[in-house]
Amino acid sequence: DADVTQTPRNRITKTGKRIMLECSQTKGHDRMYWYRQDPGLGLRLIYYSFDVKDINKGEISDGYSVSRQAQAKFSLSLESAIPNQTALYFCATSDPGQKRNEQYFGPGTRLTVT
Amino acid sequence: AQSVTQLDSQVPVFEEAPVELRCNYSSSVSVYLFWYVQYPNQGLQLLLKYLSGSTLVKGINGFEAEFNKSQTSFHLRKPSVHISDTAEYFCAVSVSGTSYGKLTFGQGTILTVHP
Repeated sequence: DADVTQTPRNRITKTGKRIMLECSQTKGHDRMYWYRQDPGLGLRLIYYSFDVKDINKGEISDGYSVSRQAQAKFSLSLESAIPNQTALYFCATSDPGQKRNEQYFGPGTRLTVT
Repeated sequence: AQSVTQLDSQVPVFEEAPVELRCNYSSSVSVYLFWYVQYPNQGLQLLLKYLSGSTLVKGINGFEAEFNKSQTSFHLRKPSVHISDTAEYFCAVSVSGTSYGKLTFGQGTILTVHP
């Protein structure tokens, strides 16, 4: 079984709809991250969480919110989806004991906003 | 703040030829460096990492990278590529000596290996 899972894997939604992307991990890591990937821009950090009570904005948090329901679960919400949020979204985890910041990625969610 | 620049957005190459994917970084403090690979329709997988010590780092699938502090570069190389190496490659940096835990990624390089 995969260590980091994301649901759904693909989603098409309409402008203005609220949508939630979910991430679960079995690695036992405290740190979790949400990124979006756009062609030619690489991965950009949306939000990150170092534990259940610690959530921080990344470089592109506008239009997004997150919830850390448990150590193993970190959800990303788009309150009112817009077309330029069409992208590939990745969840990742890391172990705070390893300060080298190596991260482990889920398979991604492809989101299309029409 | 640190930044990463991957100098080539696309690199086409023939099978069994050597390849180099270039990565430069900018940081005022010591860094850790990573290369990740993304195969079509998959997540990112760690290829190799530089933490400290030897500047030549070997990774999976025959890839290696060399850390050059004076040139602030971390180029990825493979002496002979295969069709299966076709993927997108990302260079990433994090700042050492901190518990911040954030990675900064480059824009990605699409490697296409032709038969």
